[in-house]
Amino acid sequence: EIVLTQSPGTLSLSPGERATLSCRASQSVSSSYLAWYQQKPGQAPRLLIYGPSSRATGIPDRFSGSGSGTDFTLTISRLEPEDFAVYYCQQYGSSPWLTFGGGTKVEIK
Amino acid sequence: QVQLQQSGPGLVKPSQTLSLTCDISGDSVSSNSAAWNWIRQSPSRGLEWLGRTYYRSKWYNDYAVSVKSRITINPDTSKNQFSLQLNSVTPEDTAVYYCAGGVYMLGSWGQGTLVTVSS
Repeated sequence: EIVLTQSPGTLSLSPGERATLSCRASQSVSSSYLAWYQQKPGQAPRLLIYGPSSRATGIPDRFSGSGSGTDFTLTISRLEPEDFAVYYCQQYGSSPWLTFGGGTKVEIK
Repeated sequence: QVQLQQSGPGLVKPSQTLSLTCDISGDSVSSNSAAWNWIRQSPSRGLEWLGRTYYRSKWYNDYAVSVKSRITINPDTSKNQFSLQLNSVTPEDTAVYYCAGGVYMLGSWGQGTLVTVSS
């Protein structure tokens, strides 16, 4: 089973700052099968980035994804008030077919 | 745009069966390019994928090892929906359950159902 480890656990930043979130896999992941989600309290996760750098429909271009192999990054270039949330990475591979990281909380400093 | 609407009870007694349904609009449960998943989320387990059903000339199911002996996911083509049954539940199965559509990533999600296992 591929384990995804996200860091940091919490990121304290101010609006307008840049956020860099990390996702490290225990084994190599195909870049096509790495995705990022945003989750706000009381809501389901929302797909942000897949493949690992394609934005989902309606996602603003301040969100970008990069990486390959075992190291992937989600970058939010300038934090807007609505971006403070929890972010998860997810990979698709052999059984179990989908696994998620533990999440990074981006909170207002 | 795919929309998913979940339904089912929020309270289940220990040892009984958890049953949830997910209605699909904007796509077909029988689509040859889609897959229909169940995921749960709890503070102790985080986001945990439970299983999926999909159609590729015939029906397939994949299940997580952690629940494989207790889970069934079924499509219902007449109602364009799919369902989750989890047998022999314990308090450790208490979680928010989501249905979601997607193969390699999950582009559409239901609203979530908090299911509490308690007597």
